[in-house]
Amino acid sequence: DIQMTQSPASLSASLGETVTIECRASEDIYNGLAWYQQKPGKSPQLLIYNANSLHTGVPSRFSGSGSGTQYSLKINSLQSEDVASYFCQQYYNYPLTFGSGTKLEIK
Amino acid sequence: QVQLKESGPGPVQPSETLSLTCTVSGFSLTSYGVNWVRQPPGKGLEWMGRMRYNGDTSYNSALKSRLSISRDTSKNQVFLKMNSLQTDDTGTYYCTRGGSFDYWGQGVMVTVSS
Repeated sequence: DIQMTQSPASLSASLGETVTIECRASEDIYNGLAWYQQKPGKSPQLLIYNANSLHTGVPSRFSGSGSGTQYSLKINSLQSEDVASYFCQQYYNYPLTFGSGTKLEIK
Repeated sequence: QVQLKESGPGPVQPSETLSLTCTVSGFSLTSYGVNWVRQPPGKGLEWMGRMRYNGDTSYNSALKSRLSISRDTSKNQVFLKMNSLQTDDTGTYYCTRGGSFDYWGQGVMVTVSS
């Protein structure tokens, strides 16, 4: 199975700041990576697919990058509504696997 | 609009079989697949398996011996059955659409307890 190592586990940042979340795959996943946002008590929502494609309706302050085994999610100009947990997921190979998540809070 | 909704039995006893239904609307099960994903309380996400648009299934090898996914396209429903439940199967179970997981249901809480 492909292991997804996500960091940091938690993150505290100020409004307006830029934050970056990293995900490392145990082998090359050829950009088969998605990022999800999960607000407290809610279902996960797709943010990014194919490593760098923004899902419909997602604000442009979210962006994804990376290749090979290293990927990142960047949130520019942090807003209060961005408080959530974020998960990466590889869909290059079965079984599909998720990172352990990053909990983002506002300072 | 696209919607998925999970339904299930509520509390389940250890060793019993879990049966969940995902009822979809706004798209066809013969055009999109449906995944099952679960989340233990306060923890991360685990992909369980998938019903593909053509009726094929794929399972997480960690669950494959206990898990079965089927569908009824006439009722727009996908079913999950998992046997030999244990307390660590407690969590929220979600169904999601397609290869891109672009729509999710609200989730259904399953509690395994004696």
